[in-house]
Amino acid sequence: EAGVVQSPRYKIIEKKQPVAFWCNPISGHNTLYWYLQNLGQGPELLIRYENEEAVDDSQLPKDRFSAERLKGVDSTLKIQPAELGDSAVYLCASSPGQNTGELFFGEGSRLTVL
Amino acid sequence: AQSVTQLDSQVPVFEEAPVELRCNYSSSVSVYLFWYVQYPNQGLQLLLKYLSGSTLVESINGFEAEFNKSQTSFHLRKPSVHISDTAEYFCAVSDWPGGGNKLTFGTGTQLKVEL
Repeated sequence: EAGVVQSPRYKIIEKKQPVAFWCNPISGHNTLYWYLQNLGQGPELLIRYENEEAVDDSQLPKDRFSAERLKGVDSTLKIQPAELGDSAVYLCASSPGQNTGELFFGEGSRLTVL
Repeated sequence: AQSVTQLDSQVPVFEEAPVELRCNYSSSVSVYLFWYVQYPNQGLQLLLKYLSGSTLVESINGFEAEFNKSQTSFHLRKPSVHISDTAEYFCAVSDWPGGGNKLTFGTGTQLKVEL
């Protein structure tokens, strides 16, 4: 069974440029998460989807970040424009929806903003 | 809001020695507790979890953790580590009930096993 797939793995951009990250969750997983992981820190939730509905986006900086999960499968996280402080690893995870706390993570997308 | 404290950012240990990675959480309500592990160049994966029942939980690769409600702790232990245990370990917590999949993570502990 394929795991959570993220792309790109690495991205280097100049500040003020846009960037997008893509995530394909495990087949059949209704819940999808985007986490931000700064260097030396634990993951922090940005947004959580149940199918195509964003049920928790309270931590998403909506002035420059946006996300979508069309058709309740793949998801895209966008930053426009990127700032130096956005340099981090962006993690996608999915879960089958049961209340078990087991999330399945992708390998992450490492963003460097110059 | 939930918070998780992992006091040790790095723990060096020799192979076959015992290890304990500490985790404390702040919550006045019932919680679920988790340990996730991140091996080099891989995504985070669940190591073990406490949802209810026995306060001592075990993983398939010899780790164990004990839920201590009075001390609000969930320390991770292994009696004899292997070089392959080198990884970063994250403790996480969520509210019970209903918050099972909304995790708050600690800052992580880098376990480095040396020969």
